[in-house]
Amino acid sequence: QSALTQPPSASGSPGQSVTISCTGTSSDVGTYDYVAWYQQHPGQAPKLMLYEVNKRPSGVPNRFSGSKSGNTASLTVSGLQAEDEADYYCSSYAGSNNLVVFGGGTKLTVL
Amino acid sequence: EVQLVQSGAEMKKPGESLKISCKASGYSFTVHWIGWVRQMPGKGLEWMGIIYPGDSDTRYSPSFQGQVTISVDKSINTAHLQWSSLKASDSAMYYCVRGYCSGGSCYGRWFEFWGQGTLVTVSS
Repeated sequence: QSALTQPPSASGSPGQSVTISCTGTSSDVGTYDYVAWYQQHPGQAPKLMLYEVNKRPSGVPNRFSGSKSGNTASLTVSGLQAEDEADYYCSSYAGSNNLVVFGGGTKLTVL
Repeated sequence: EVQLVQSGAEMKKPGESLKISCKASGYSFTVHWIGWVRQMPGKGLEWMGIIYPGDSDTRYSPSFQGQVTISVDKSINTAHLQWSSLKASDSAMYYCVRGYCSGGSCYGRWFEFWGQGTLVTVSS
C-alpha cells in the first residue's frame, strides 16, 4: 500500500490556526474512520494527538481537532503555540489484516 | 501505568543477525496487539507489522514481509523484532507500539503507547 500524502510543510503565527491535510484512497482514508494523527518533536517518540478522525486522548488540548471528507483527512491546530512546532504524521487503517499506512509527515513551523 | 521499554542501541555489520526487544508492563500483555514502526534517518514513519501476543497471530506490511520477523515471549511480556541478515538500509530508529481495545475487541489500527525507540546502525 502507498503512503498517505501530506504537505511537507505548514506554518502559522502564534494564535493563528493551521490545517494539515492527509490524502489517501478509497482503500484507506475513504473507507475507514480509523485516521490518527501523531506529533513528533525532534529526538522524541511520536505522540498520539487524535484517533478515529476526531477523538482526543486524555491530555491533548482541544486546540487540536480533526475531520475527514472523502479520501482526505485534516488536522487543525487552533491558537498556535510555540510548543506546537513539530512534525505531524497521519495514519489510516487500510483493512486487509490490520494493515496501517502512514503519511509522509508535515513539518509545522510556528513563526 | 502502561510502559513499553525497548532494548538499547545496536551497531552491527552487514550480514549479521539482530533481535531487538520491547518489554511491556502496566497492562495485560496478551490482550493488546503490539506493532513495530520504522523511521529512517530524517524520514517519516513506516508501519512494519503487528502481532497479537495471545495467539502470536502476526501481520506484516507487504514492504517488510520476508525481511523481518516479529515474535513475542509471553513469559516475559516482551515483543521482538529480528533480522537474519542485516543490510545498511536497515539503519533506522525502530519503535514498538501498542494497540487498543474497544467494545470488547482489540485492534492495532492506531497507537497511543510508543516505546522510546531502538536505534539500529548497520555499517561495515
